[in-house]
Amino acid sequence: GQSLEQPSEVTAVEGAIVQINCTYQTSGFYGLSWYQQHDGGAPTFLSYNALDGLEETGRFSSFLSRSDSYGYLLLQELQMKDSASYFCAVRAVYSGSARQLTFGSGTQLTVLP
Amino acid sequence: KAGVTQTPRYLIKTRGQQVTLSCSPISGHRSVSWYQQTPGQGLQFLFEYFSETQRNKGNFPGRFSGRQFSNSRSEMNVSTLELGDSALYLCASKPGQTSYEQYFGPGTRLTVT
Repeated sequence: GQSLEQPSEVTAVEGAIVQINCTYQTSGFYGLSWYQQHDGGAPTFLSYNALDGLEETGRFSSFLSRSDSYGYLLLQELQMKDSASYFCAVRAVYSGSARQLTFGSGTQLTVLP
Repeated sequence: KAGVTQTPRYLIKTRGQQVTLSCSPISGHRSVSWYQQTPGQGLQFLFEYFSETQRNKGNFPGRFSGRQFSNSRSEMNVSTLELGDSALYLCASKPGQTSYEQYFGPGTRLTVT
């Protein structure tokens, strides 16, 4: 089977930097995605890492280490609007299936003024 | 370009009834996936359709089924509703089956009483 672990809650202040970690166990690994979801909203895509290393998109960066089955999402210059749930998701192939996305349970980020 | 649309947005049903939810993907997107989101279980994959064929299925009972039409619109059906089926049902589309970025709709909030 597959499993993902990420912290359930993280709190930080405006302007700070926060890192949300994600560890996974799966076979047939293709890549790690990150999604953001505001309360009452739809998840929106943030980033995807298929290879080891850091991907940067504005204030957000995502890192992957395939050998450690580990990734993280880094949010810099935090803003109040960043308060949301953040999900890591593993893209993998399981026996008899095509590539499938399995989500972690989500990290609720609260940004304080 | 219009986003993913889902109808209805809210639904209240009684145990034992059945329900059909609809999803219209972004124009040009041929892959549609369905997810169930609950506070306790998070985002769980239901199934994926591509070119009118089910390509992937999650670990849900046979009461959950779906289909995709030639215009890529998709429907999911839940028969013999149970209280535990109360959830937010999210549809996501992407251009092709191997695409990694999914675009989510606003979801259908189903309440079973």
